[in-house]
Amino acid sequence: NAGVTQTPKFRILKIGQSMTLQCTQDMNHNYMYWYRQDPGMGLKLIYYSVGAGITDKGEVPNGYNVSRSTTEDFPLRLELAAPSQTSVYFCASSYGSQINQPQHFGDGTRLSIL
Amino acid sequence: GQSLEQPSEVTAVEGAIVQINCTYQTSGFYGLSWYQQHDGGAPTFLSYNALDGLEETGRFSSFLSRSDSYGYLLLQELQMKDSASYFCAVTSGGYQKVTFGTGTKLQVIP
Repeated sequence: NAGVTQTPKFRILKIGQSMTLQCTQDMNHNYMYWYRQDPGMGLKLIYYSVGAGITDKGEVPNGYNVSRSTTEDFPLRLELAAPSQTSVYFCASSYGSQINQPQHFGDGTRLSIL
Repeated sequence: GQSLEQPSEVTAVEGAIVQINCTYQTSGFYGLSWYQQHDGGAPTFLSYNALDGLEETGRFSSFLSRSDSYGYLLLQELQMKDSASYFCAVTSGGYQKVTFGTGTKLQVIP
């Protein structure tokens, strides 16, 4: 019963490096989301996807890219890491556009940019 | 745009009742959700209200008034393990996007 799996759990990057945060879900959910959470703050939506091949920007998309080639996977790409991107990143999924469909979250990726 | 307001911190005594309020401004409103997050953990779903009224799930209840753009989470018989952050979130828009509030940190004291 894996649910939503995020890798890696921790990562330290140097300014200007790039990396991909992986997210996989095994619940056959249509909707997937990427959030960032800064210390003591709420969750800010970076990108979301309503199905394979469909993605859209959230509140804070600058500096990030996503793709959704399969239902299961929704990777988040940082091209040129900046200190402002130091945060905890959560991936989530939900069944779809029906009422009372909770989001299931992964355990998060703690990313530091130095 | 969308905005949500909730108190930043609340302190309550073990065994008591606490209410966490949430007001929101959004277009294309579908519903209001509540999530719990313990320090260092992932958010977990608590409840969802699409219609006006009270939804009860064990010790937790959630209320929605669509006309007032207002909802609250009610926690009864507080336990120490209820110490966590609680987020309200609105579902809105064509793709039913979810927007989270900044969270209320609940501290339960003996």
